[in-house]
Amino acid sequence: QKEVEQNSGPLSVPEGAIASLNCTYSDRGSQSFFWYRQYSGKSPELIMFIYSNGDKEDGRFTAQLNKASQYVSLLIRDSQPSDSATYLCAVFNAGKSTFGDGTTLTVKP
Amino acid sequence: SAVISQKPSRDICQRGTSLTIQCQVDSQVTMMFWYRQQPGQSLTLIATANQGSEATYESGFVIDKFPISRPNLTFSTLTVSNMSPEDSSIYLCSVEGSGETQYFGPGTRLLVL
Repeated sequence: QKEVEQNSGPLSVPEGAIASLNCTYSDRGSQSFFWYRQYSGKSPELIMFIYSNGDKEDGRFTAQLNKASQYVSLLIRDSQPSDSATYLCAVFNAGKSTFGDGTTLTVKP
Repeated sequence: SAVISQKPSRDICQRGTSLTIQCQVDSQVTMMFWYRQQPGQSLTLIATANQGSEATYESGFVIDKFPISRPNLTFSTLTVSNMSPEDSSIYLCSVEGSGETQYFGPGTRLLVL
C-alpha cells in the first residue's frame, strides 16, 4: 500500500463545474496535509494546507480533512481552464513530506 | 515565500560523468530537500540537507551516488555521480516554509546519454 494515494485520473470537468480531488494516507500519525499544483513543465506550487479536521476555504479552493478516515480532498469551484494541471497531495510526518502520484485535471472551455 | 534558483536549468551528459546541481535561496532556511521527478511521475525525496550536518538519505539513495553539500543557510549542491541513462530526470530542490510547507526551485532537467 502506498503511503499517499490519489485518484488515478485523469479528471476532466467542464468550465464552471466543481472539480473534486481525493487523497488517502496510511500513517495515522500524520499531522499536516497539503495540496500542490504543478503545471506541465513547471515545479510544484503550494495552493492549500490543512491541519485540523473539517473544511478550509480559500477563494475557489476548499480543502477537507477527515483524520478518522485518513482522507483529504480538494474541491475547486467554478473551475477555469487555467486550473488544468496536476494536483499533488502531500502528507507531512516525521520531518518530511510524502507526495502522492498526482491527479491530472483538465478543465474544458 | 522563498525565491529559489537552480543551476543548471538543464543539461545533457554522457554516461559515467558527474553533474553538480546548485540551489540558491534568497533567505536563510534550516531545511533543504532534494527530490527527483521522472516524467509523468510524482516526487521522490532523495535526501534532506541541514546546514552543519550530514545529509539524511532516503531508502534507495546513497551518499556515494548523490553527495550533497550544505555549506550555509542559503545554498546547497547535489551531485549526481557516475551517471547512467536511468538518472535522466528532473531534480528539484525545495525549502521548508512556515507550517511544514515547501517551496520548490524551478528544477534541473537532466538527460544522460
